[in-house]
Amino acid sequence: KAGVTQTPRYLIKTRGQQVTLSCSPISGHRSVSWYQQTPGQGLQFLFEYFSETQRNKGNFPGRFSGRQFSNSRSEMNVSTLELGDSALYLCASSPRTSSYNEQFFGPGTRLTVL
Amino acid sequence: DQQVKQNSPSLSVQEGRISILNCDYTNSMFDYFLWYKKYPAEGPTFLISISSIKDKNEDGRFTVFLNKSAKHLSLHIVPSQPGDSAVYFCAASAANTGNQFYFGTGTSLTVIP
Repeated sequence: KAGVTQTPRYLIKTRGQQVTLSCSPISGHRSVSWYQQTPGQGLQFLFEYFSETQRNKGNFPGRFSGRQFSNSRSEMNVSTLELGDSALYLCASSPRTSSYNEQFFGPGTRLTVL
Repeated sequence: DQQVKQNSPSLSVQEGRISILNCDYTNSMFDYFLWYKKYPAEGPTFLISISSIKDKNEDGRFTVFLNKSAKHLSLHIVPSQPGDSAVYFCAASAANTGNQFYFGTGTSLTVIP
């Protein structure tokens, strides 16, 4: 079974631009979560989508948004990029939305904002 | 506000010895805990989990201990192997919050041959 894939793997943008990141979950998984990883902050939860609906949202500004398609693929969008948005963005998939299961992570998209 | 804390950014252990990684949490509603391992340029991979109804869970060389009264969990690796060198994250979640997990900042483990 193929793992979680994320595209692109690396991205360089300038302040003020917007960016869209893509995540394809493991086949059959309906839950996709997004995390931001920065040095010293660990992984910070952005949001979770399940069956095309946002299930949970972390404490991030409205510039961060996402969506999920009928095939469970998900996109994350960041508008009006700031220098502090430079981070590794990880998506994770699970078969269901439940607190009691593991998540399978993709390799991440490294975003650099100049 | 960091609800899950890993206070040791790094740890070095000799091959064959025990590695003990620690994690503290503040939210008493957390009832499910996981450990992930992360190599450079890869996403975290699941290692072991424990629910709050247990105080210990073992899987091969890996054992997780949970002390609910102290809001503390630890991961023991015995014996440690060079391939265990990676960054380890603990994560926690509360019931009815879907897949919203709170992660620690990670501990970088180096196992010296």
